[in-house]
Amino acid sequence: DIQMTQSPSSLSASVGDRVTITCRASQDISKYLAWIQQKSGEAPKSLISDASTLQSGVPSRFSGSGSGTDFTLTISSLQPEDFATYFCQQYTTYPITFGQGTRLEIK
Amino acid sequence: QVQLVQSGAEVKRPGASLKISCKASGYNFKINYIHWVRQAPGQGLEWMAIIDPSGGSTDYAQKFQGRVAVTRDTSTSTVYMEVSSLRSDDTAVYYCARQGDRYLDQFDYWGQGTLVTVSS
Repeated sequence: DIQMTQSPSSLSASVGDRVTITCRASQDISKYLAWIQQKSGEAPKSLISDASTLQSGVPSRFSGSGSGTDFTLTISSLQPEDFATYFCQQYTTYPITFGQGTRLEIK
Repeated sequence: QVQLVQSGAEVKRPGASLKISCKASGYNFKINYIHWVRQAPGQGLEWMAIIDPSGGSTDYAQKFQGRVAVTRDTSTSTVYMEVSSLRSDDTAVYYCARQGDRYLDQFDYWGQGTLVTVSS
């Protein structure tokens, strides 16, 4: 199975901050990585596919980059509604696997 | 608009079986694969299974092989997942999710989740 490792596991930041979350795959997954946001008590929501393609309706302050084994999610200027848990997901090989999550908290 | 609406919360005894549903609407049901993902309390996301609604073919994560069965009813655009021999560590929120249009694609829509509690 492909292991997905996110860092950090948790992060405290303030409104307006720029934050970056990283995700590393245990083997080459090309561009087949998604970033998923999950707010407390809600279903997950897709933000980014193919490492860098923003989903319809997702604010442009979110961006993704990377390919192969190393990927990043950047939020350019944190807004109050961005405090949530973020997961990366590889979808190139079964079983599909997720990172352990990064909890983004208000400082 | 695309919607995946799941069945309601369940409470089961250890050893029992469970069948939850995911009703799709707002698109051609046969085109997009449907996945099942679960999330134990306070934990991350775990992929369980996939079904091709067109032909009914399935694939399962190895740990669920033989204990989970995913089926579909094209007449009602509904996917079902049955989990047998329930254990306490099956307590989780179970989500169905639609795969995008491509062979390799993200999950573009998610159901609201079904909370399953396994307790004696």
